[in-house]
Amino acid sequence: EDKVVQSPLSLVVHEGDTVTLNCSYEVTNFRSLLWYKQEKKAPTFLFMLTSSGIEKKSGRLSSILDKKELFSILNITATQTGDSAVYLCAVEHQGAQKLVFGQGTRLTINP
Amino acid sequence: DAGVTQSPTHLIKTRGQQVTLRCSPKSGHDTVSWYQQALGQGPQFIFQYYEEEERQRGNFPDRFSGHQFPNYSSELNVNALLLGDSALYLCASSLAGKYGYTFGSGTRLTVV
Repeated sequence: EDKVVQSPLSLVVHEGDTVTLNCSYEVTNFRSLLWYKQEKKAPTFLFMLTSSGIEKKSGRLSSILDKKELFSILNITATQTGDSAVYLCAVEHQGAQKLVFGQGTRLTINP
Repeated sequence: DAGVTQSPTHLIKTRGQQVTLRCSPKSGHDTVSWYQQALGQGPQFIFQYYEEEERQRGNFPDRFSGHQFPNYSSELNVNALLLGDSALYLCASSLAGKYGYTFGSGTRLTVV
């Protein structure tokens, strides 16, 4: 059965810290891995990764995929209180266009 | 450029009742997927509609059904509501064969 596991499930840090969120997966016919930020309701898109070893960056956020070891990490440097949210990792099936999500990591940034 | 629109935003129903949730996809998208997100969990895939037909289905009972209209908008129907159906229901639209999903803000369903 397809599985996406995120760790940690919850993380509390101080503003300015750097955090690393983990996502491992077991999915048949992998197409892409996506990261989303969910603050209240709608998940907002952060990154899509399809190739191993290529880092995607957007400001203080970055992500990388390892297709051999079947995991991805999301890094956030110089965290701010506005980074507080649930971060979701999802894997997309080739040809199926459906997403399998992990449980999410609840990140809390304290001032 | 309109994003994904879902209605209503909140809904309270009694056990045993039926509910219909609605989704208008992003302009230019032709595929609509529905997800259920229970409190503290990641979204779970319910089903997907393309060309007015159910194309994929997750592990949900037949009480969950849907429809897609010629303008690509979609409805999710849930019959015989259970307390466990209380969740945030998310709609995501996409363009068949292309990367990228856009999520709506969801409908918060509470069953009492």
